[in-house]
Amino acid sequence: GEDVEQSLFLSVREGDSSVINCTYTDSSSTYLYWYKQEPGAGLQLLTYIFSNMDMKQDQRLTVLLNKKDKHLSLRIADTQTGDSAIYFCAESPNSGYSTLTFGKGTMLLVSP
Amino acid sequence: EPEVTQTPSHQVTQMGQEVILRCVPISNHLYFYWYRQILGQKVEFLVSFYNNEISEKSEIFDDQFSVERPDGSNFTLKIRSTKLEDSAMYFCASNIEGQPQHFGDGTRLSIL
Repeated sequence: GEDVEQSLFLSVREGDSSVINCTYTDSSSTYLYWYKQEPGAGLQLLTYIFSNMDMKQDQRLTVLLNKKDKHLSLRIADTQTGDSAIYFCAESPNSGYSTLTFGKGTMLLVSP
Repeated sequence: EPEVTQTPSHQVTQMGQEVILRCVPISNHLYFYWYRQILGQKVEFLVSFYNNEISEKSEIFDDQFSVERPDGSNFTLKIRSTKLEDSAMYFCASNIEGQPQHFGDGTRLSIL
């Protein structure tokens, strides 16, 4: 079945860039997503990318997709303490009623 | 910005009791989902719902679970006879074709 893997923890200093990595196994993955979860809160959609793209930029966020290696990354520029959260990578084969398969999440800790 | 809303935020129930978790999806969305996240684990798909019927369900979604859209706005998840292992955060999500799923803040279900 589909699987999504992420590193579990990343620690950076405020102002540095953060790069969170994700790999997936389903070659039919068409949509790839990044969700953010703050403590006790829900899943906030950060950004997403279609598999026919290799990069998407949205303000401080840059998503890179290497479809050949099935590797997705999320770069946060000028990381702030408010960016501390768990970041989930997720994939789906289409955008209709398709299920999302999530990774275990990467806990990002930003220190002042 | 429209949101998916879930109630209650926290539900405490005795083992063996029935529980109903409620969700109000975004008003023009057509696809609805329930996911759960056991503490410290991945977000897992439970069920998707479209056009007043279940589209897809996972192995977790056994006969103890049911979903319903009782009116034009609510989408509920019922667990008939709760077990200790049902303790988790339950997330509702919704979307339309071509758009990512938007999640609610979740209901934390604690089974005693």
